[in-house]
Amino acid sequence: KAGVTQTPRYLIKTRGQQVTLSCSPISGHRSVSWYQQTPGQGLQFLFEYFSETQRNKGNFPGRFSGRQFSNSRSEMNVSTLELGDSALYLCASSSSGALAKNIQYFGAGTRLSVL
Amino acid sequence: AQSVSQHNHHVILSEAASLELGCNYSYGGTVNLFWYVQYPGQHLQLLLKYFSGDPLVKGIKGFEAEFIKSKFSFNLRKPSVQWSDTAEYFCAVNAFTSGTYKYIFGTGTRLKVLA
Repeated sequence: KAGVTQTPRYLIKTRGQQVTLSCSPISGHRSVSWYQQTPGQGLQFLFEYFSETQRNKGNFPGRFSGRQFSNSRSEMNVSTLELGDSALYLCASSSSGALAKNIQYFGAGTRLSVL
Repeated sequence: AQSVSQHNHHVILSEAASLELGCNYSYGGTVNLFWYVQYPGQHLQLLLKYFSGDPLVKGIKGFEAEFIKSKFSFNLRKPSVQWSDTAEYFCAVNAFTSGTYKYIFGTGTRLKVLA
């Protein structure tokens, strides 16, 4: 069974640009969550999608948005990039949505550098 | 707001030394607890989990963790570390809040094991 796939692996952008990251979950998984990972901050939760609906949202500005398609693939968009957006963006999928015991399976991440 | 604290940000040990990484959470309700590990160049993956029952849980590669409800803690232990345990370790809580379950991660502990 293929794991969680994130594309692209690396991105370099300049301030003010926008970027779209993609995540394909494990086959059969309907929940996709996005995290921002930076040194010293750990994983900061961005949002979670389940069956094409955003179910949870973290404390990030509106420049960060996402969506999920009918095949459970998800995209994350960041508009008007700032230097502080440089980070590793992780996608995690799980078989079910907001349940207590769900285990998250992570992709390798997309490393975004904003110059 | 719910939070997860990992007080050790960097730990350096020699092979065969014992390991204990602290994890405390602030949440009064029912929680489900996890430790995830990120080996260099690899995906974040589940190390062990606690849902209910025996508060001492065993995970992969000889790791174990003990849930102490009165202390809101879920510390990770290993009696004898190996060089291959060099990685970043994240404690996580899945708790019911604002009408849904949310994953909250700690900031991580970087473990370096010297051969």
